[in-house]
Amino acid sequence: KAGVTQTPRYLIKTRGQQVTLSCSPISGHRSVSWYQQTPGQGLQFLFEYFSETQRNKGNFPGRFSGRQFSNSRSEMNVSTLELGDSALYLCASSLTPGGRDTQYFGPGTRLTVL
Amino acid sequence: QQQVKQSPQSLIVQKGGISIINCAYENTAFDYFPWYQQFPGKGPALLIAIRPDVSEKKEGRFTISFNKSAKQFSLHIMDSQPGDSATYFCAATASSGAGSYQLTFGKGTKLSVIP
Repeated sequence: KAGVTQTPRYLIKTRGQQVTLSCSPISGHRSVSWYQQTPGQGLQFLFEYFSETQRNKGNFPGRFSGRQFSNSRSEMNVSTLELGDSALYLCASSLTPGGRDTQYFGPGTRLTVL
Repeated sequence: QQQVKQSPQSLIVQKGGISIINCAYENTAFDYFPWYQQFPGKGPALLIAIRPDVSEKKEGRFTISFNKSAKQFSLHIMDSQPGDSATYFCAATASSGAGSYQLTFGKGTKLSVIP
């Protein structure tokens, strides 16, 4: 079974630009969660989608948004990029929402904002 | 109330020694406590998980100890090996209740096992 894939793996953007990250979950998984990982803050929850509906959202500004498609693939968008948005963005898929069963993480997208 | 506090931030253990990482939580609704292991350049991977109906769970060299009254849980790595060098995250979530929960992670412990 193929694992969670994330594209692109690396991205360099400048302040003010916007970016879209993509996540393909494990086949059959309907829940996709997004996390921001930084050395100082660790893993912070961004949002979770289950069956195309945003189920939960973390404490991030509205510049961070996402969506999920009918095939469970998910995209995350960050508009008006700031230097502090530089981070590793991880997505994780699971069978059920809420982190109540194993979440399988992708390798992440490393975003650098200059 | 959603916080999970993890300590220490970093840990150096000699090969063959015991590595111990501790976590504490506030939210009494939490009832699922997984540990994730992350190697450089990779996403976290589930290592072992426990529910509060048991006080201990062991899988190979990895053991979770759970103290419900103290709202604390810990990961013990016996006979630590250089290949265990990674960052470890504890996490917690709830499986029921009115709240809409998600997996909440501790800030991580970077473990280095030296030969």
